[in-house]
Amino acid sequence: DIQMTQSPSTLSASVGDRVTITCRASQSISSWLAWYQQKPGKAPKLLIYKASSLESGVPSRFSGSGSGTEFTLTISSLQPDDFATYYCQQYNSYSFTFGPGTKVDIK
Amino acid sequence: QVQLVQSGAEVKKPGSSVKVSCKASGGTFSSYAISWVRQAPGQGLEWMGRIIPILGIANYAQKFQGRVTITADKSTSTAYMELSSLRSEDTAVYYCARDLGGSYNPFDYWGQGTLVTVSS
Repeated sequence: DIQMTQSPSTLSASVGDRVTITCRASQSISSWLAWYQQKPGKAPKLLIYKASSLESGVPSRFSGSGSGTEFTLTISSLQPDDFATYYCQQYNSYSFTFGPGTKVDIK
Repeated sequence: QVQLVQSGAEVKKPGSSVKVSCKASGGTFSSYAISWVRQAPGQGLEWMGRIIPILGIANYAQKFQGRVTITADKSTSTAYMELSSLRSEDTAVYYCARDLGGSYNPFDYWGQGTLVTVSS
């Protein structure tokens, strides 16, 4: 099974900061990686798919990059609505694995 | 606009089973896939399995093989997840999520979640 790791596990930042989260896969997943945002008590929300494609309706301050085994999610200028937990996920037809999550909180 | 509406919260005894439903509206139910993902209190997301209703074939995460059954009723656009031999560690919010079917698609729509509590 493909394992996913994320770093950091927690990130303290201020409004306006540039934030980067890293996700690594235990083996190459090409570009089959998604990023989700989850707020307490809510279902996850798709932000980025295929490593760098922005889901419709998601603000352009979110961007993704990477391929193979190393990926990043960047928030160019953190907004109050962005304080949440972020998960990466590898996907293919037979399995889906999430990273352990990165909580972005207020510094 | 696709909407996934799940059944309500459940409280179950250890050793029993639970069956959670996920009713879809919008889109063409048979042409996409439904996965089940769970989240224990304060923990991350864990994929359990997936079904493509038009094929009626499900595949499961190895961890849950033999204990979870995912089915779909095309006539009512509803997917089901049944988990048996419940233990306290199965206490979690269970989500259904849609992908477009095929081999490489993320989860673009999610249900609201169903809290399953396992307690004696």
